[in-house]
Amino acid sequence: GAGVSQSPRYKVAKRGQDVALRCDPISGHVSLFWYQQALGQGPEFLTYFQNEAQLDKSGLPSDRFFAERPEGSVSTLKIQRTQQEDSAVYLCASSYGPNTEAFFGQGTRLTVV
Amino acid sequence: GIQVEQSPPDLILQEGANSTLRCNFSDSVNNLQWFHQNPWGQLINLFYIPSGTKQNGRLSATTVATERYSLLYISSSQTTDSGVYFCAARYNTDKLIFGTGTRLQVFP
Repeated sequence: GAGVSQSPRYKVAKRGQDVALRCDPISGHVSLFWYQQALGQGPEFLTYFQNEAQLDKSGLPSDRFFAERPEGSVSTLKIQRTQQEDSAVYLCASSYGPNTEAFFGQGTRLTVV
Repeated sequence: GIQVEQSPPDLILQEGANSTLRCNFSDSVNNLQWFHQNPWGQLINLFYIPSGTKQNGRLSATTVATERYSLLYISSSQTTDSGVYFCAARYNTDKLIFGTGTRLQVFP
C-alpha cells in the first residue's frame, strides 16, 4: 500500500475487555515496529519484528500485551484485560529493512473506561 | 541507558521567524530521523540523516555523529509548522529511540 495503515483509528474499551489493533505495513517492508504514545509524551518502543520473527519485545509493559505477525506482513497487537493505564495512542511503523528509514501509520487511539 | 534529549522543550515564534531545534544523543548512532507530529497525531517524516546535511524547502538538518548531535533548522516559519518535532535515533538494535520532543507554536 501507499503508506502504513492502522485500524481502528479509535477504540473505546471497558476495563477488563480484550482489544486487537491491526497494522498493515508498506508492501515489501521487512521490519515492523509497535510504539505506545501517552498524552504529552514521545513514542515509547513496544516490540519489533523482522518478517514474522519477533526479535525484540523488551518494551511490552506486561504479559497482557501480545503481538504477532504470522505471515510477515500484517501485524496485530493484542491487549488482554485492558486497564485505564493502557489508554494511549498505539503507533505502528515499518521500514524496508534493518537500519533503513521508518514510516509511521496514523495510530490507534485507545481509551479504556 | 541510552538517552536522546531535545531542546528547547517549547518554542513560540511569530510567522516568518527562523528557529533551530537541537537533538543530543548519548552514544554513537546508526541513523537518525526527524519527524513532525501534526495536531492530528500523524508522525510525518522530515529527514533521514545519519550524518551530513540535507535540505528540503524551508527545512534543513545537520547531523554531526562524532559529536553526538543533530540540528533541525526551520526558516521563514508558517503557522502550519506548528506541532511537536521529534528526533529518533537508532543504535545497535533496530529500534528507534525517540527524544523528548520540541513543541513549536507559530502565531500569525
